[in-house]
Amino acid sequence: QVQLQESGPGLLKTSGTLSLTCAVSGGSVSADNWWSWVRQPPGEGLEWIGELHHSGRTNYNPSLKSRVTMSVDKSKNQFSLMLTSVTATDTAVYYCARNGAFHFNSWGQGTLVPVSS
Amino acid sequence: QSALTQPASVSGSPGQSITISCSGTSSDFGAYSYVSWYQQHPGKAPKLMIYNVSNRPSGVSIRFSGSKSGNTASLTISGLQAEDEADYYCSSYTSSATYVFGTGTKVTVL
Repeated sequence: QVQLQESGPGLLKTSGTLSLTCAVSGGSVSADNWWSWVRQPPGEGLEWIGELHHSGRTNYNPSLKSRVTMSVDKSKNQFSLMLTSVTATDTAVYYCARNGAFHFNSWGQGTLVPVSS
Repeated sequence: QSALTQPASVSGSPGQSITISCSGTSSDFGAYSYVSWYQQHPGKAPKLMIYNVSNRPSGVSIRFSGSKSGNTASLTISGLQAEDEADYYCSSYTSSATYVFGTGTKVTVL
């Protein structure tokens, strides 16, 4: 059973860049899957950020596309998220997930990233 | 893209059945049947309960079922149990090759 674990900075300042990594265990990031990032502001709903394939192909949420970059590191069996020019509205729990056929069948435990001035 | 519309809350007594709706546009659902449902307990990650409208992953109780008619999908929980109290989110793969989630529904077991 694949397991996912997010890691990140813990606290960010406004206008900074959020960088998160998702370590994959019990499976390979090079498998024929897509991998996603999803976020959830405190007390609010889920928002899909985007997805990537180990080939380098990506798809992003249009509302975040200008600030998002996703990448994969096959040597470390992990994938990453970068979100630039963060503001308080980017404060959220960030989840990484494995895509099934048009759904998300495995999730990390999530990591809270507060953004403050 | 706007979130799919779900009722904010649904409640029921133990043993009863409840249904959660998830409404969107034709673009939200596209020409596909790629609607999924997730259960989220407080402080926990979401858990896949239904995929491709009506399919249950291994290990998910048969009390959970899904359906779709037009631009509205539904999740039904039969034989409601205390452990079903959680937030539930629908999701769809859209005609723009993106994903959209619903606004979320809090299920309360009375």
